[in-house]
Amino acid sequence: DVKVTQSSRYLVKRTGEKVFLECVQDMDHENMFWYRQDPGLGLRLIYFSYDVKMKEKGDIPEGYSVSREKKERFSLILESASTNQTSMYLCASSSMAVQETQYFGPGTRLLVL
Amino acid sequence: DAKTTQPPSMDCAEGRAANLPCNHSTISGNEYVYWYRQIHSQGPQYIIHGLKNNETNEMASLIITEDRKSSTLILPHATLRDTAVYYCIVRVRRGGATNKLIFGTGTLLAVQP
Repeated sequence: DVKVTQSSRYLVKRTGEKVFLECVQDMDHENMFWYRQDPGLGLRLIYFSYDVKMKEKGDIPEGYSVSREKKERFSLILESASTNQTSMYLCASSSMAVQETQYFGPGTRLLVL
Repeated sequence: DAKTTQPPSMDCAEGRAANLPCNHSTISGNEYVYWYRQIHSQGPQYIIHGLKNNETNEMASLIITEDRKSSTLILPHATLRDTAVYYCIVRVRRGGATNKLIFGTGTLLAVQP
């Protein structure tokens, strides 16, 4: 059974704090994604990684960075949290197989005060 | 990726089949039809996908019309836990960050007791 886990379901942080969101998958997938989901805006891709230490910017990378030191783990870092980063953060992974179905974690709901 | 059109909401009685339609009249030959669902405050869950043929798995069946311009997701015996927003996505496999998923507004399926 496929499994993507995220370190926290809910987080409350203060403006200016550095925030780490962790994602782990146990499917040996090459690709991993970080999205944020906001009402009325749907899913927006923040960063994508296709291999260890490899990353590509998505549509909204500003204010975020990522780290992929091991294949199974993909971290999203908010360098200095701001209130407009309050959102639901979703991690997903997929294999390089032809159809590349993406499997999602449960999400982290982040509130920045 | 081709655009999809889904009804904004549907009701279904518990124990009955739920049939969720999706129109994708501009679909091209190499685009797959994917279905995901999202239960409130959780991450999206992959359900099923197909290219041309009808598909069935333990969760649902996917019926794709012969001209591929529309499809129907069937949940054979809906339960209260199937209440969720269901997203129909049409996409072609591509590499890199362009492999992002784009969710439309989906169909809110409300299963009634």
